Order: sequence, then structure tokens, then C-alpha cells
Amino acid sequence: EPEVTQTPSHQVTQMGQEVILRCVPISNHLYFYWYRQILGQKVEFLVSFYNNEISEKSEIFDDQFSVERPDGSNFTLKIRSTKLEDSAMYFCASRAGQGTEAFFGQGTRLTVV
Amino acid sequence: TQLLEQSPQFLSIQEGENLTVYCNSSSVFSSLQWYRQEPGEGPVLLVTVVTGGEVKKLKRLTFQFGDARKDSSLHITAAQPGDTGLYLCAGGSNYQLIWGAGTKLIIKP
Repeated sequence: EPEVTQTPSHQVTQMGQEVILRCVPISNHLYFYWYRQILGQKVEFLVSFYNNEISEKSEIFDDQFSVERPDGSNFTLKIRSTKLEDSAMYFCASRAGQGTEAFFGQGTRLTVV
Repeated sequence: TQLLEQSPQFLSIQEGENLTVYCNSSSVFSSLQWYRQEPGEGPVLLVTVVTGGEVKKLKRLTFQFGDARKDSSLHITAAQPGDTGLYLCAGGSNYQLIWGAGTKLIIKP
């Protein structure tokens, strides 16, 4: 069964460092998303990506964040200069089309120290 | 702003009991999905409902989408300890999913 895969499963980084979180969406999907979930809190939308560009982003997704689909299979989230409050589970998701199910990866636990 | 309210936030019941959790909004959604999430893992899709009034069953779980497509319910019959987890509803919007805060369900043996 096709699935969304994320790497790494856990990343520890020092405050101020850049991190890149990687995702491989399901191959025939067209819409890609990043969400985050701070421990014990609600899932929060970060950004959606369609047709090689950002289609929507939340207030959380500021200039420190960027996304890229460098090679047609990977979908990455970069945080340029991490802050302590960036510590969270980051989930990638993909959908075949609008109104269809979103499938989530297992997440990357980011710990900023 | 579209919001989804889930209730109850927390539910702890004995094995064998029935329960219903709710997902309500003032907004209409094109689709609504239910997910289950285990600690430290990503949400796993349980079901998608699309048509107003639609009912879907997944073993002991029954999902219903309101006629106006603004609300949904999840009913579990004869709950088992394996049903323990965080149940999330998410409404389909143009480019993203709008999430409820979840219902944390604990089934005691």
C-alpha cells in the first residue's frame, strides 16, 4: 500500500541551526502539506503546495520556513534558524486532489536545544 | 475562519460500553475525515465522508456526516482497550484540512 515517508524520524538540533525535514509523498498525489503538532497540542497547518508553488500558508509559516520539491519526488521543509519553540512533531501529508483523503507520514520529531 | 469543535475532549469508559464523539462546525465542508493518532505517530486515516447524511461503518465504528455537511459523529459499539487513542476530525477546505483538537479516548479493561 502506498504511503508517505518522512526522514529522519527524530532530529535534535541546536538553536539557530538550519534543519531540513524530508518527505516522499505518494507518487500520484498532487497536493502536499506540512503540519506540526507541539506536544499535547492541536495539529497546526503550516503550508500547502500545489503545481510547484505554495498555495496557502499559515501565520506560523514565516520567513524562517521554506518548502521545496527539488526532484519531483521529495518534498522538503527547511527551517533556517531554529528556535526552541520550533520543537514539535512535523507531519507531511499528500492528497490526490481537492476533497480527497490526506495521507500522513509518521512524522519527524524535531527537538531544538 | 473555519473551526471544528470536537467533544468531549476526553472520555474514559469501561470495556464493552458504547460511546459517541462529535465534531461540529458552523461551516460547510466538502468532505470530512476521521483520523486516529497514537502518541509519537502521525494521524492514520479511518474514514472519509463526503455526502450529507452519509453513514459509513468500519467494524464497530460508525461514522455519520450531518445532512448539512457541518458536523459528524463517530460511534463505537462495545469499545475495547485497543480503541484507546486520540480521535481527530478534519474538514476538507480548498487547500488544507481544518482540524479539530481531538477526543482522547481511554478504554479500561
